[in-house]
Amino acid sequence: QVQLVESGGGVVQPGGSLRLSCEASGFTFSSYAMHWVRQAPGKGLEWVSFIWYDGSDKYYADSVKGRFTISRDSSRNTLYLQMNSLRTEDTAVYYCAKDLGGNQVLGFAYWGQGTLVTVSS
Amino acid sequence: DIQMTQSPSSLSASVGDRVTITCRASQSFSSYLNWYQQKPGKAPKLLIYSAFSLQSGVPSRFSGSGSGTDFTLTISSLQPEDFATYYCQQNYRTPYTFGQGTKLEIK
Repeated sequence: QVQLVESGGGVVQPGGSLRLSCEASGFTFSSYAMHWVRQAPGKGLEWVSFIWYDGSDKYYADSVKGRFTISRDSSRNTLYLQMNSLRTEDTAVYYCAKDLGGNQVLGFAYWGQGTLVTVSS
Repeated sequence: DIQMTQSPSSLSASVGDRVTITCRASQSFSSYLNWYQQKPGKAPKLLIYSAFSLQSGVPSRFSGSGSGTDFTLTISSLQPEDFATYYCQQNYRTPYTFGQGTKLEIK
């Protein structure tokens, strides 16, 4: 069955960096688009970024563009989110999600358990 | 960016009730609309994709409809496990925006 396991969250000071990882299993990782979605405490969902199945294209929310970088390593079945210049407003639970589609975006069909990022001095 | 507005923001209903949640988009985009359910402390779960397609394993009491700018999620007969927060989301164009959520509570 599909499993997504995030790691790398923690407490970081404003201006700092973190790298989140999402280890995937139970499906052919290299065949699906992958996303990062976040949820600030007590708030709604915010799409952050996505990467095509082959890594050829990447897209970002304006709120993170220029600071966050999404990548994937198919040899390790792992999705990454490098987060630099972190701000207090980046505090959230970060989820990775597998798209339902292969070469098209259909919806976030499977989600990890989430990893909490807290940006605080 | 495409703005997604859900109504109502909260809703009280009883087991067995028929419930409808509406999502309105700031621009038209055919059927690129998904619905998710989220329970406290859990990751969201995809219920409906492409406006009306039921995700595998989701009970048939959930259904979606709509096109253009107006979309609807209907639960035909509420069950105890359906009390949760529901989100719509468009995947027509990045950024893939979500609605603000509708919290469904027990009356």
